Amino acid sequence: DAGVIQSPRHEVTEMGQEVTLRCKPISGHDYLFWYRQTMMRGLELLIYFNNNVPIDDSGMPEDRFSAKMPNASFSTLKIQPSEPRDSAVYFCASSPQGKSNQPQHFGDGTRLSIL
Amino acid sequence: AQSVTQLDSQVPVFEEAPVELRCNYSSSVSVYLFWYVQYPNQGLQLLLKYLSGSTLVKGINGFEAEFNKSQTSFHLRKPSVHISDTAEYFCAVSEPTGNQFYFGTGTSLTVIP
Repeated sequence: DAGVIQSPRHEVTEMGQEVTLRCKPISGHDYLFWYRQTMMRGLELLIYFNNNVPIDDSGMPEDRFSAKMPNASFSTLKIQPSEPRDSAVYFCASSPQGKSNQPQHFGDGTRLSIL
Repeated sequence: AQSVTQLDSQVPVFEEAPVELRCNYSSSVSVYLFWYVQYPNQGLQLLLKYLSGSTLVKGINGFEAEFNKSQTSFHLRKPSVHISDTAEYFCAVSEPTGNQFYFGTGTSLTVIP
């Protein structure tokens, strides 16, 4: 089975530009999670969805960040406008049924650099 | 919310030596426990999990972990490490009533030839 697929793997852009990160969860998984990983803060949960509906977005740092899940097989995380402090690795993860005893399956991440 | 502590940010160890990576969590309520491994430029992969039953859990790549409820710990061990075990290791906790995972800050394991 294909795992969680993220694109692009790397993104380098100038501050002020719009950035869109993409994620395709594992087929049949009802929950989708977006994380951000930095040296300073470690792994932070930004937002998660259940059946395409955002459940908890309290981790989204500010209004410049937005996430959507238009269907069960696709989600986006958008930053507009981007700033250098947004530089990080962004991970998408999915889990079946979203029950807390089910492990989350992670994509390989998008390494984002804002110049 | 749970708090997960991985006291050792970096652990260097010689090849074929044993290793223990420590993980403590904050709450004494019923929890599920996980260890993940992250190789360079990759996402997190599940090593092992504890849901219930035997407190000694065996995972992939020869790793095992022991759940200790009284000490709220879930330490990861391997009796003999290989160069290929060099990676970042994350402990994670979830609660039966929730959907979120709470991750520790990670331990960087470096195996020295």
